[in-house]
Amino acid sequence: DAGVIQSPRHEVTEMGQEVTLRCKPISGHNSLFWYRQTMMRGLELLIYFNNNVPIDDSGMPEDRFSAKMPNASFSTLKIQPSEPRDSAVYFCASSFVVTGDSYEQYFGPGTRLTVT
Amino acid sequence: GQQVMQIPQYQHVQEGEDFTTYCNSSTTLSNIQWYKQRPGGHPVFLIQLVKSGEVKKQKRLTFQFGEAKKNSSLHITATQTTDVGTYFCAGPSGSEKLVFGKGTKLTVNP
Repeated sequence: DAGVIQSPRHEVTEMGQEVTLRCKPISGHNSLFWYRQTMMRGLELLIYFNNNVPIDDSGMPEDRFSAKMPNASFSTLKIQPSEPRDSAVYFCASSFVVTGDSYEQYFGPGTRLTVT
Repeated sequence: GQQVMQIPQYQHVQEGEDFTTYCNSSTTLSNIQWYKQRPGGHPVFLIQLVKSGEVKKQKRLTFQFGEAKKNSSLHITATQTTDVGTYFCAGPSGSEKLVFGKGTKLTVNP
């Protein structure tokens, strides 16, 4: 298995531009998580999906952030408009959950976003 | 909300010395997970502890879950340069969510 795939690996954009991050989870996994990692705030959960349905988006910073999961093999995280404070590494992770408890998560390589 | 605290934030050791990181939760946990993130890399799952007082070993790494299931520790015996990275603990926060500690960054002087 190729593991969790994320694209792009690096993104540099100007303030005000739209940014779209992409994730392909591990085949067969039914939960997908988007995280943001910064030095100051550590690893923060933004949103997670179970069976393609958004379950908890309480970590999404504001309306500029949106996420979709149109099918079991693809998810996007969009920032519009982007701001310099959005600069961070964004990780996607997937997991196979049976009973609603937490299980090991497999992280993708991340997207390093820089907003100038 | 639930918080998971880790100490120390940084630890620098000489190669061959032991290393320990501690994790404390504000609530009782059903399980606790440990992850390692190499510099420039992504978090990688190491282990999950479920039972009160559980101790698990992976070669030079020893993981322990407290009796009250509110704290955990990771101990590395005789560190090597390959142990460099940030070690995170994570506990469940309702359903499938995990709350991660801020991590302990380990550097090893060869």
